Amino acid sequence: GENVEQHPSTLSVQEGDSAVIKCTYSDSASNYFPWYKQELGKRPQLIIDIRSNVGEKKDQRIAVTLNKTAKHFSLHITETQPEDSAVYFCAATPFYNQGGKLIFGQGTELSVKP
Amino acid sequence: DGGITQSPKYLFRKEGQNVTLSCEQNLNHDAMYWYRQDPGQGLRLIYYSQIVNDFQKGDIAEGYSVSREKKESFPLTVTSAQKNPTAFYLCASSPNGATNEKLFFGSGTQLSVL
Repeated sequence: GENVEQHPSTLSVQEGDSAVIKCTYSDSASNYFPWYKQELGKRPQLIIDIRSNVGEKKDQRIAVTLNKTAKHFSLHITETQPEDSAVYFCAATPFYNQGGKLIFGQGTELSVKP
Repeated sequence: DGGITQSPKYLFRKEGQNVTLSCEQNLNHDAMYWYRQDPGQGLRLIYYSQIVNDFQKGDIAEGYSVSREKKESFPLTVTSAQKNPTAFYLCASSPNGATNEKLFFGSGTQLSVL
């Protein structure tokens, strides 16, 4: 089955710097890769997603890149702000999946220092 | 933050006791899910349901049971067979249970063992 590894587990950056979180997946059949953000004490929320037919997707300061050959995808946050501090989860799902079964990474705790 | 409601926010279980976590949604979503969140382990799927009166085991179903008698409700019972129940439990829903759908999460229930 699918396995998703996420690195680093913690990341600390200065406000204004960029942050990069990387995930690798094992199932080459996976075709959907969302990223969820969970602020302290709050529920996870989808911030961006990418499908296997594209290599990059951007939404303001957030971007996700996908390398299908290497089976890894990354979240890039530019010009970080304190409100970006949260736990970020990547996920993957194979095309044969039923029931929207996402396989999540272990999470990255991002801390943005003012 | 309406849409999907979990209760209680905090729950304590005595040894040998079964406890039930509530999850209700008013989004008219077909699919509902239960995830377990442990520090450093991401989100792991316990059970999911794509339609009323039907549900499927996730990756860590042992020691848990669910029911889906109504579209709006997907309660999770943590049985005495679950030997390590202390965790944060998240319920989620999605419109149709398709692979590429956004998940809407509840605010979670923290279960602890007395």
